[in-house]
Amino acid sequence: EAGVAQSPRYKIIEKRQSVAFWCNPISGHATLYWYQQILGQGPKLLIQFQNNGVVDDSQLPKDRFSAERLKGVDSTLKIQPAKLEDSAVYLCASSVLRSSYEQYFGPGTRLTVT
Amino acid sequence: AQSVTQLGSHVSVSEGALVLLRCNYSSSVPPYLFWYVQYPNQGLQLLLKYTTGATLVKGINGFEAEFKKSETSFHLTKPSAHMSDAAEYFCALPGGYGQNFVFGPGTRLSVLP
Repeated sequence: EAGVAQSPRYKIIEKRQSVAFWCNPISGHATLYWYQQILGQGPKLLIQFQNNGVVDDSQLPKDRFSAERLKGVDSTLKIQPAKLEDSAVYLCASSVLRSSYEQYFGPGTRLTVT
Repeated sequence: AQSVTQLGSHVSVSEGALVLLRCNYSSSVPPYLFWYVQYPNQGLQLLLKYTTGATLVKGINGFEAEFKKSETSFHLTKPSAHMSDAAEYFCALPGGYGQNFVFGPGTRLSVLP
């Protein structure tokens, strides 16, 4: 089966610009996650979707970050405006169910904010 | 709150030597525990997981981990390191009610020829 797809793989922007990331989860996976991984750290959950509804966005900086999952399949994560500290790898993951615990990760998007 | 610590941000071993990566956790409920591996410029891949039952868990690529409740540990081992094992390894557990994973800071494994 095809894995989790993410694009772009790399992005360089200047601070105060906006950027969007796209994720296509594994077919049939109801749960989708976005993580932020800062260099040298473990991934930190930003937002979790169950189908097209938000389950948890408690760690999402809502003043600048937004995410949506239309039709319960693809998802986009947007940052507007970007700050230097947003430089990180943004990982998308999916799982069959919330209760399955086993997540499948995409390759990530490496964002550099200058 | 659940938490994960990994002792040693960088571990170096010689090819063929034993690999031991340490993970300790804090959890208010019986934990599920996971090890993920991340190769350069790639996403995370599940190595193995402990849910219930046998405390010695075998995973892919010859890795295994043992859940020790008394020590709140879930250390990852491999009897003989291979060059291809060089990567970043993360220990993780669900972060409480719901499915939010808490990841440890990671341990970078280097394998020397």
